Amino acid sequence: EVLLVQSGAEVKKPGESLRISCKGSGYSFTNYWISWVRQMPGKGLEWMGRIDPSDSYPNYSPSFQGHVTISADKSISTAFLQWNNLKASDTAIYYCARHGRGYDPFFDYWGQGTLVTVSS
Amino acid sequence: DIVMTQTPLSLSVTPGQPASISCKSSQSLLHSDGKTYLYWYLQKPGQSPQLLIYEVSSRFSGVPHRFSGSGSGTDFTLKISRVEAGDVGVYYCMQGIHLPYTFGQGTNLEIK
Repeated sequence: EVLLVQSGAEVKKPGESLRISCKGSGYSFTNYWISWVRQMPGKGLEWMGRIDPSDSYPNYSPSFQGHVTISADKSISTAFLQWNNLKASDTAIYYCARHGRGYDPFFDYWGQGTLVTVSS
Repeated sequence: DIVMTQTPLSLSVTPGQPASISCKSSQSLLHSDGKTYLYWYLQKPGQSPQLLIYEVSSRFSGVPHRFSGSGSGTDFTLKISRVEAGDVGVYYCMQGIHLPYTFGQGTNLEIK
């Protein structure tokens, strides 16, 4: 069974750093890209970026470039999403999702989501 | 960025009746490889999104035949032949032909 299990909810203050994780199981982790998708409270879905776990090469949406870092550690089948300077506007649910057929631009399996709350 | 526009944004349907959602893209989603990179997702209340349809009309594994996708170029439609109570949630179209991938605003389906 394909599973993407994300780390738990986080509460942070503005300016703090954070890294959340997404662990894949039930498939060959290095054969499927992983994307991250943001959902702000009561809003729609926004694609943030993707990573090829085989070589950890990321691509970012211009809207998120420079504000987040996407990485992966294939030895533990885990992808990460990291912030170095959180803002209140980063409050959202963040989903990781596996790309279909390895590298196709759609998402066949999703993580359960990680709620990040940034508040002073 | 490619803009994806869904209509309607809200839909109230009696169980057993059909439902239809339109999605229009600001650029053609037909690639030179012959594929059209248009996808449909459903986000049920309190859940993660789930894939319904890929490449315009192919149903993902386990998706009921009640769901069908059609369209070409810039105009696409998701149809539910007979709505059931479990179909409630927000439906999103998404394009994957150009980075960044972009989603429609979402269509909220409720049951009358």
